[in-house]
Amino acid sequence: GENVEQHPSTLSVQEGDSAVIKCTYSDSASNYFPWYKQELGKRPQLIIDIRSNVGEKKDQRIAVTLNKTAKHFSLHITETQPEDSAVYFCAASIDGSQGNLIFGKGTKLSVKP
Amino acid sequence: GAGVSQSPRYKVAKRGQDVALRCDPISGHVSLFWYQQALGQGPEFLTYFQNEAQLDKSGLPSDRFFAERPEGSVSTLKIQRTQQEDSAVYLCASSSPPRPLTDTQYFGPGTRLTVL
Repeated sequence: GENVEQHPSTLSVQEGDSAVIKCTYSDSASNYFPWYKQELGKRPQLIIDIRSNVGEKKDQRIAVTLNKTAKHFSLHITETQPEDSAVYFCAASIDGSQGNLIFGKGTKLSVKP
Repeated sequence: GAGVSQSPRYKVAKRGQDVALRCDPISGHVSLFWYQQALGQGPEFLTYFQNEAQLDKSGLPSDRFFAERPEGSVSTLKIQRTQQEDSAVYLCASSSPPRPLTDTQYFGPGTRLTVL
């Protein structure tokens, strides 16, 4: 079955710097890749997603890139702010299946003011 | 509109007790998922419903875990004879379309289960 690896497990940046989180997946059939942000004690919330028919998607300070050949995708956050501090999870699933998500283990991002 | 809700938010059980966790999905959402999130880990899939049909229960860790969605809306995850290793946050998520489409999954706040 699908396996998603995520790194780094922790990331500390200064406010205003960029942050990059990387994930790899094993099943070449996976074609939907969402990213969730989870603040302490709260629900995971979708921040951006990408499908395998595009290589990059951007939404304000957040962007995701996908390399299908290498089977990896990355989250880029520019101009980080203290409120970006949270745990970020990448996930993968397959259109045409039931759609359950396979998650990475998460990256704890700390943005220092 | 209202998002996914779950109750109770916190549950403490003695080892061997049975527990029932409730999920109210977004109204009209066909697909409903249960995930288990251990401390410091990503959510792990437990089971999937399309309306009232449980189409996949491959992630349920043992036969002590049982889920239902009898009327295609509210779902209940039941754990019998709880064990300490069942301690985790149980997340429910719903999404609008049935397969084959994959769409945004909206998560509930979770139920934190602690088994003593």
